[in-house]
Amino acid sequence: AQSVTQLDSHVSVSEGTPVLLRCNYSSSYSPSLFWYVQHPNKGLQLLLKYTSAATLVKGINGFEAEFKKSETSFHLTKPSAHMSDAAEYFCVVSESYNQGGKLIFGQGTELSVKP
Amino acid sequence: EPEVTQTPSHQVTQMGQEVILRCVPISNHLYFYWYRQILGQKVEFLVSFYNNEISEKSEIFDDQFSVERPDGSNFTLKIRSTKLEDSAMYFCASQGTSGRTDTQYFGPGTRLTVL
Repeated sequence: AQSVTQLDSHVSVSEGTPVLLRCNYSSSYSPSLFWYVQHPNKGLQLLLKYTSAATLVKGINGFEAEFKKSETSFHLTKPSAHMSDAAEYFCVVSESYNQGGKLIFGQGTELSVKP
Repeated sequence: EPEVTQTPSHQVTQMGQEVILRCVPISNHLYFYWYRQILGQKVEFLVSFYNNEISEKSEIFDDQFSVERPDGSNFTLKIRSTKLEDSAMYFCASQGTSGRTDTQYFGPGTRLTVL
């Protein structure tokens, strides 16, 4: 079975400093991996996804993630945090190899951004 | 840009009552999902639906739950006799035709409160 572990439940950074949200996955075959963001009282928005193409994936709002098979990691980074980045971030793996696979969510990382 | 919509945004009900949560997926999408997020916990898969039948369901999705696509546009989740532990945010998602590499687009969620 596939699983996702987000290594930090809470990350706090200062505005303008880099962001690193860590994620490790477990999968028996090539996974599809995603990062979703959830702002307070809002739904889930896709930030970026990896689907076996380029290992460095660029997403919206300046975020990017690198798929490292040897480390089974898919960490999310951003060079410079903005106050509006404060939210809950979920690392997600697509469970099934076939069409219509369910998503398996990590526990989430709450990102705080200090002025 | 097309989006998934959900109604109502907040539903309050008494224990034992039936509730129906409604979703309008993105048109021409073929795969539909319900997930839930209990306060403070991770997002959990409930059920997937394709070609007018359930593709997969989780252990949570017991006989009290049912899904339906009654008219080709709406996708509903019914809970026949609500329990206190059903209180959660319920998210609908839809996915296009490219299989597991396709993004699942989430609605804004329905917050269900069972008293």
